[in-house]
Amino acid sequence: EAQVTQNPRYLITVTGKKLTVTCSQNMNHEYMSWYRQDPGLGLRQIYYSMNVEVTDKGDVPEGYKVSRKEKRNFPLILESPSPNQTSLYFCASSPLVGPNANEQFFGPGTRLTVL
Amino acid sequence: GNSVTQMEGPVTLSEEAFLTINCTYTATGYPSLFWYVQYPGEGLQLLLKATKADDKGSNKGFEATYRKETTSFHLEKGSVQVSDSAVYFCALRNYGGSQGNLIFGKGTKLSVKP
Repeated sequence: EAQVTQNPRYLITVTGKKLTVTCSQNMNHEYMSWYRQDPGLGLRQIYYSMNVEVTDKGDVPEGYKVSRKEKRNFPLILESPSPNQTSLYFCASSPLVGPNANEQFFGPGTRLTVL
Repeated sequence: GNSVTQMEGPVTLSEEAFLTINCTYTATGYPSLFWYVQYPGEGLQLLLKATKADDKGSNKGFEATYRKETTSFHLEKGSVQVSDSAVYFCALRNYGGSQGNLIFGKGTKLSVKP
């Protein structure tokens, strides 16, 4: 089944404790992206990647890191989480060519709480 | 710059009512336009899309027409069901920017009562 998976789905942590949220897709998509969703603000892009070893900042990159060592994986790293990073996070992937180009496929979301 | 504005919710309708969720955009060139739907507790799913002016996207009884003259892509459904209760996001491909990036509206929550 074609899908985007994220782990964990739920996480409660404390300020300053490094964490990683994993994202994996099995559709061989070139493009991957991370968003955060907050009430009244919709989706805001954190980072994106056009292909392996190519990443770039989105609209709200502060406090986050990403890497793209393999095409299928795009982990989101919070080196020192703070309470303002409490949010619902979504990973998405998309082909860049073909009939479904730019249609983003979303993961189920990770609800993060930073105390 | 590129942006998407959609009507604020929440929108509450009775079953079988007519639905319109307004979406307007600002963009350079000829963007592709999308509607995504987020059911409770889930990620976003593509509902429909249109890639050029006057195109009509349709799926599951929902329709939206790409109107370049009014820079709009309003979502409509003739008869909503309780199962349509969700948050709906209008989006455009960031034409002229990095390929693949989408710009989303803030979402409109729809609640359909039996």
